[in-house]
Amino acid sequence: EIVLTQSPGTLSLSPGEGATLSCRASQSLSSRYLAWYQQRPGQAPRLVIFGASNRAPGIPDRFSGSGSGTDYTLTISRLEPEDFAVYYCQQYVTSVRTFGPGTKVDVK
Amino acid sequence: EVQLVESGGALVLPGGSLRLSCSASGFTFSSYAMHWVRQAPGKGLQYVSTITSNGGITYYADSVKGRFTVSRDNSMDTLYLHMSSLRPNDTAVYFCAGGSGSYVYWGQGTLVTVSS
Repeated sequence: EIVLTQSPGTLSLSPGEGATLSCRASQSLSSRYLAWYQQRPGQAPRLVIFGASNRAPGIPDRFSGSGSGTDYTLTISRLEPEDFAVYYCQQYVTSVRTFGPGTKVDVK
Repeated sequence: EVQLVESGGALVLPGGSLRLSCSASGFTFSSYAMHWVRQAPGKGLQYVSTITSNGGITYYADSVKGRFTVSRDNSMDTLYLHMSSLRPNDTAVYFCAGGSGSYVYWGQGTLVTVSS
């Protein structure tokens, strides 16, 4: 099983600041099969990034993804109020997909 | 508009069984692999199961293998999860999701509580 670790656990920032979230896999992810999801309180998750760096439809361009191999990053360039949420990475290299534990981005 | 609507969540005794359903609309259901993901209260997302677009292949997390069965009816655009031998740590909101790679579509979830 591929294990994903995310850091930091919590990121406390102010609106307008930039955010950098990390996801590390226990083994290399071929074809960069790594996705990021946003989950606001009381809501279902929403796909933000797929294929490590491709924005999902409707996702603003302040969100960007990068990385390869075992290390991946989600960057939010300027935080808007609606961006404060929990973000999960997920690998879909293996048939049994796994999620990271999440990074909570909250208001400082 | 794409919609996934889960139903069937309930309070069930340990050792009991339950069947969840997920009704899809707004996209070509039969073209997509479908998945179940759960979230225990206050916890993160946990992968549960996958079924391929034609229903021919299924996958399960080790924690549910042998107890849960995923199926689908493409004529009814509906996904199912039959859960048996339920344990208190199966308590969670169960989401269905669609996507052959990443999970493009998500339902709002249905709550399963396993407790005596």
